[in-house]
Amino acid sequence: AQSVTQLGSHVSVSEGALVLLRCNYSSSVPPYLFWYVQYPNQGLQLLLKYTSAATLVKGINGFEAEFKKSETSFHLTKPSAHMSDAAEYFCAVSEGYNNNDMRFGAGTRLTVKP
Amino acid sequence: KAGVTQTPRYLIKTRGQQVTLSCSPISGHRSVSWYQQTPGQGLQFLFEYFSETQRNKGNFPGRFSGRQFSNSRSEMNVSTLELGDSALYLCASSFGAGTEAFFGQGTRLTVV
Repeated sequence: AQSVTQLGSHVSVSEGALVLLRCNYSSSVPPYLFWYVQYPNQGLQLLLKYTSAATLVKGINGFEAEFKKSETSFHLTKPSAHMSDAAEYFCAVSEGYNNNDMRFGAGTRLTVKP
Repeated sequence: KAGVTQTPRYLIKTRGQQVTLSCSPISGHRSVSWYQQTPGQGLQFLFEYFSETQRNKGNFPGRFSGRQFSNSRSEMNVSTLELGDSALYLCASSFGAGTEAFFGQGTRLTVV
């Protein structure tokens, strides 16, 4: 069965600094991978997804992630953090047949300091 | 276009009662999934329906059940509520495999 591990439950960066949120996955078949963002008292919004096309995936709000099969990783990055990026971020994996059956990581809460 | 709508947004129930939550997917979406979110366990997959059929189920007791109607609207039911069922319940809809899943804002259930 597929699973996801997010390293670091809390990450704090300064405004303008690089954002790096780590995600490692486990899957018995080529996976679909996702990053979602959740703001307080809201549902989840898709930032980006990997579906076996390009390994470097660009998403909304300047975020991107790189699929590295050899490292079973799908880390999320953004070159310059903005105050509005403060939220909780979830990495998720699906084994492809149905991407509405996702397994989520525990989440990483991103704090952006002025 | 309208997003995924979950009703009600907030609910308070007493232990032992049952509850039904509703999810209206985006028009045209036939796949609906349910997730439970708690501070301790995070986001956990409950079940997924496609064209009125349950295709996949997570590791939850039989007290948790769901169904999907011909118009793709879905309901989930929790019987004999326990304090530990207090959570944010999220619904997501999509066209199906390989397409983006859109989440509703959730129903926050509090069991007292």
